[in-house]
Amino acid sequence: GAVVSQHPSRVICKSGTSVKIECRSLDFQATTMFWYRQFPKQSLMLMATSNEGSKATYEQGVEKDKFLINHASLTLSTLTVTSAHPEDSSFYICSARPTLRDTQYFGPGTRLTVL
Amino acid sequence: QKEVEQNSGPLSVPEGAIASLNCTYSDRGSQSFFWYRQYSGKSPELIMSIYSNGDKEDGRFTAQLNKASQYVSLLIRDSQPSDSATYLCASYNAGNNRKLIWGLGTSLAVNP
Repeated sequence: GAVVSQHPSRVICKSGTSVKIECRSLDFQATTMFWYRQFPKQSLMLMATSNEGSKATYEQGVEKDKFLINHASLTLSTLTVTSAHPEDSSFYICSARPTLRDTQYFGPGTRLTVL
Repeated sequence: QKEVEQNSGPLSVPEGAIASLNCTYSDRGSQSFFWYRQYSGKSPELIMSIYSNGDKEDGRFTAQLNKASQYVSLLIRDSQPSDSATYLCASYNAGNNRKLIWGLGTSLAVNP
């Protein structure tokens, strides 16, 4: 149980394009999902908290207009990196928390490379 | 500033030994504590959660919590080379916007 999927697992795009990443909780409902970014050999960095049916809460320094988050259902959150640039190249990981629980389960991550 | 601190390591142990990973936290209101394992290039996976003072055992893993000392540890018995990874400690306080507070992780190397 507690499986989280992410799609795509890897994406390469040209600078200036937008990329959408999907995060799904497959066997539980998640009122809250989280989006993290991790650069090579660095620690996890929380980007935003995604709440079903409401606006996401962004961490300080994360541009909400650049990283669009939509959490339209209890099993799906999406992160769209708009007008991606090479500095946005990173490992993006989502996690989902089952409703009324405090444990987070992670998706396998999406490796984004912007050329 | 709520923090979770871990020794970055690397912690190196021989195969078959006990690996001891430690974590301290600053938020006395923290209610839950988690250990995640992250292999290089992969996402974190949950190993253990602990909520009450004392020990919690799951297979080769034992989590220990001491709320008075604000200290959480993870013991790995009979360490295997496949245990080589970064171990992340996290605390949770329901009043903290429902976020986990993460340590930076301890790198563990188990040598055959």
